[in-house]
Amino acid sequence: AQKVTQAQTEISVVEKEDVTLDCVYETRDTTYYLFWYKQPPSGELVFLIRRNSFDEQNEISGRYSWNFQKSTSSFNFTITASQVVDSAVYFCALSEAGTGRRALTFGSGTRLQVQP
Amino acid sequence: DGGITQSPKYLFRKEGQNVTLSCEQNLNHDAMYWYRQDPGQGLRLIYYSQIVNDFQKGDIAEGYSVSREKKESFPLTVTSAQKNPTAFYLCASSTDNYRGGELFFGEGSRLTVL
Repeated sequence: AQKVTQAQTEISVVEKEDVTLDCVYETRDTTYYLFWYKQPPSGELVFLIRRNSFDEQNEISGRYSWNFQKSTSSFNFTITASQVVDSAVYFCALSEAGTGRRALTFGSGTRLQVQP
Repeated sequence: DGGITQSPKYLFRKEGQNVTLSCEQNLNHDAMYWYRQDPGQGLRLIYYSQIVNDFQKGDIAEGYSVSREKKESFPLTVTSAQKNPTAFYLCASSTDNYRGGELFFGEGSRLTVL
């Protein structure tokens, strides 16, 4: 069965610090997709990134970067030079493309608080 | 603007009453989903539908029902059989789940049962 674990429940940093959010996943499929979403206080989830299981290249988008390692089943998310606006709950999610269900399985989320 | 509209945003109901949450999308997406969010537990899948007139149970379907009569609409009914219905409910849609399409979410409906 598919599973996503975000062991960090809450992280607090001071503005301009770098912070890494961990995500570990479990799946039996060879083809799968990994996602990160941001949930600001308003409640609506905002899509950040999707990676498929065949693409292990790291990705950088501005202050955001993602490290996908199949060997450790991890898909970690780093925010460089954090800002107060980064304060939110961040979710990692997994979708299997095989015969499993066609829906995302989410981790429990990591609440990030960036202090000014 | 295209998007997903959930209503109502806040809802209060007495215990034992059925409640229906609305979800409408104008993104022309085939797949739609309902998730429940409780504090510290992330999002849990209630039901999903990949095509009109078809839907599947998720991980916590007991006490809930859905219908998918139109492509744009996927209402969720929280029945009196749901033992702990107070939660934040999120509706989502996706263009192509078979290729891992990302989900687009509505703003959510917060249900409080008194």
